[in-house]
Amino acid sequence: QVQLVQSGAEVKKPGASVKLSCKASGYTFTTYYIHWVRQAPGQGLEWMGIINPRDGSTNYAQKFQGRVTMTRDTSTSTVYMDLSSLRSDDTAVYYCARWSSSRPFDPWGQGTLVTVSS
Amino acid sequence: EIVLTQSPGTLSLSPGERATLSCRASRSISSNYLAWYQRKPGQTPRVLIYGASSRATGIADRFSGSGSGTDFTLTISRLEPEDFAVYYCQQYGSSPPTFGQGTKVEIK
Repeated sequence: QVQLVQSGAEVKKPGASVKLSCKASGYTFTTYYIHWVRQAPGQGLEWMGIINPRDGSTNYAQKFQGRVTMTRDTSTSTVYMDLSSLRSDDTAVYYCARWSSSRPFDPWGQGTLVTVSS
Repeated sequence: EIVLTQSPGTLSLSPGERATLSCRASRSISSNYLAWYQRKPGQTPRVLIYGASSRATGIADRFSGSGSGTDFTLTISRLEPEDFAVYYCQQYGSSPPTFGQGTKVEIK
């Protein structure tokens, strides 16, 4: 079945970087985009950006420009999201989600909790 | 970007009652690319409705979506115990994709 499996929880200090992974299975990796979305405690869902696994092209939310980098490894069907200069308000659950044009985000990964604390 | 405003923020209902959730967009959503997701504590968002009114695979027919342009509705005809959760609308017709702030459906 189609599945996105994310890496485990992370604890980071302010100013550090974190690199999360999202491994796809059950479909042809290069035929669907991957979005990253986060949800901070008590907050709503916030879109961070998108990567096209076919060619590695990306589009980031303006809020994260300069701090986020999304990459992919087609040999392992894995997408990575690197977020730098972490702050306490980056504490959130980060999700990857599969998407193709005209379709909703489906499925979602199980989420990765990133805690930023000194 | 398109701002989605959901109402009410919280809906207190009893099992068996009808739930009506609203999602209003700041401008018309392209091709009615509007989805509804259900989110339970500790779980991943699950798509219920896409294209404003199409039920996703495996979703019970008590869930229905309607609307077009800027006004959309998710209706749960008869609430089951497992339906008490937070519901989000999302537009995916324009970049960036955006989400509403959520409606919590709680047991009265």
